[in-house]
Amino acid sequence: AQSVTQLDSQVPVFEEAPVELRCNYSSSVSVYLFWYVQYPNQGLQLLLKYLSGSTLVESINGFEAEFNKSQTSFHLRKPSVHISDTAEYFCAVRRANFGNEKLTFGTGTRLTIIP
Amino acid sequence: DTGVSQNPRHKITKRGQNVTFRCDPISEHNRLYWYRQTLGQGPEFLTYFQNEAQLEKSRLLSDRFSAERPKGSFSTLEIQRTEQGDSAMYLCASSHSGRNTEAFFGQGTRLTVV
Repeated sequence: AQSVTQLDSQVPVFEEAPVELRCNYSSSVSVYLFWYVQYPNQGLQLLLKYLSGSTLVESINGFEAEFNKSQTSFHLRKPSVHISDTAEYFCAVRRANFGNEKLTFGTGTRLTIIP
Repeated sequence: DTGVSQNPRHKITKRGQNVTFRCDPISEHNRLYWYRQTLGQGPEFLTYFQNEAQLEKSRLLSDRFSAERPKGSFSTLEIQRTEQGDSAMYLCASSHSGRNTEAFFGQGTRLTVV
C-alpha cells in the first residue's frame, strides 16, 4: 500500500514571495506522483504530475515539483505567489506501470496568500 | 465535452433517509472512481468501475453504500439510512484505463446529514 504525508496543514505566504509545499510518500513499489489543487467548494484540478523521465515537472501557472526518489519526496514550489494561488493543495500517489488505478491522497496543505 | 458532471451539487437530508448521487464522466473515459472527502482531509477512495464492472471497493464502503454504472456510462452512488458521519463531499473522477493517463474530477456533491 502507499501513503502520503503532507507536513504542513496551513502555509501563509506574502504575495510575490516564494513558497514550498512539502510532500513525502511511502511505497514498496514504483509510484506516479501528482499535485492537485482545490478551490473552495470545487472539485480537484490536476496541477502537475510525474510519471517518468525528467524529475523536475512544471505547470502552466508557474508551479514546479521535483521527484526525489532517495528522499521519497515530491515538494511543490513556486518562486512568486499570487492572490489567485490561495487554495488547498493535495499531493497524491498511485502505483506505476499499472492501468489507471486509485489515488492515495495526503491530508492537504491550505495555502493562504497575504496581500 | 464539459468534463465530469456531478448532480446534485448540494444535498441536505435527514438522518435515516436514503440519498442518491449521479456522476456523468467524460464520454470517452472507461474508468470511473468515487471518493469521499471529509472536512480537513484528503479524498479517500471508495470504489471504481471499468466500463460497467465494479473492480474494487474500499472497506470504507459499508453495506449501506451501493454504486452502479449501468451500460458503462453514468454512475450512481446510493447511501441508505444515512448517518451524520456520512456528511462529506463525494467526488467522482473518470479516466482512460491506459498507464500514463490522469483522472479528471467533477466538482463534487456535498452531503449534509442533519
